Amino acid sequence: GNSVTQMEGPVTLSEEAFLTINCTYTATGYPSLFWYVQYPGEGLQLLLKATKADDKGSNKGFEATYRKETTSFHLEKGSVQVSDSAVYFCALSDRGKSSGDKLTFGTGTRLAVRP
Amino acid sequence: DSGVTQTPKHLITATGQRVTLRCSPRSGDLSVYWYQQSLDQGLQFLIQYYNGEERAKGNILERFSAQQFPDLHSELNLSSLELGDSALYFCASSVAGTNNEQFFGPGTRLTVL
Repeated sequence: GNSVTQMEGPVTLSEEAFLTINCTYTATGYPSLFWYVQYPGEGLQLLLKATKADDKGSNKGFEATYRKETTSFHLEKGSVQVSDSAVYFCALSDRGKSSGDKLTFGTGTRLAVRP
Repeated sequence: DSGVTQTPKHLITATGQRVTLRCSPRSGDLSVYWYQQSLDQGLQFLIQYYNGEERAKGNILERFSAQQFPDLHSELNLSSLELGDSALYFCASSVAGTNNEQFFGPGTRLTVL
């Protein structure tokens, strides 16, 4: 079955540091890949997405490139801010007859940014 | 604001009871999904409805059921509640054909005492 593996957290960085959160996946077909962010006490918000190999998703300074050869979708940001402190979830959707359009999530990585 | 609404925001109940969680999708979205977020299981897909019909089932217990109504809102019914059912329940919605970009509601926090 499909699965997503994320690096364990928490990740603690100082403001303006470079961020990488690793994500690798296993899927039977050609999935779409997503990063969602969850701020304290809130629901999940879509951060960025990529739908095919070599696509780069980007939003709010965050980027991730769909790498089919390494089955990875690592999240990066060049300079983090305190307001980026949240839990980040990598997810995939592998549309299939029996699986519908469900999202399969990783375990989440908590990011804490110090001033 | 994602445009997906969920009620109630919080629910506290006792073991053995039954509760109903409600979700209204974004305007125009035909698909509704239910997910459970717990500390030990993480985010798990429960069930998907598309335009009133069940589309896919995940790790949903037999004690749980859902439906989507003609106005496209959805309800998740949880019965014979156990302590382990305490979790955050999220609803999400999407438009068909958009590579499954799902928009999540704020969630309902269920506490079973």
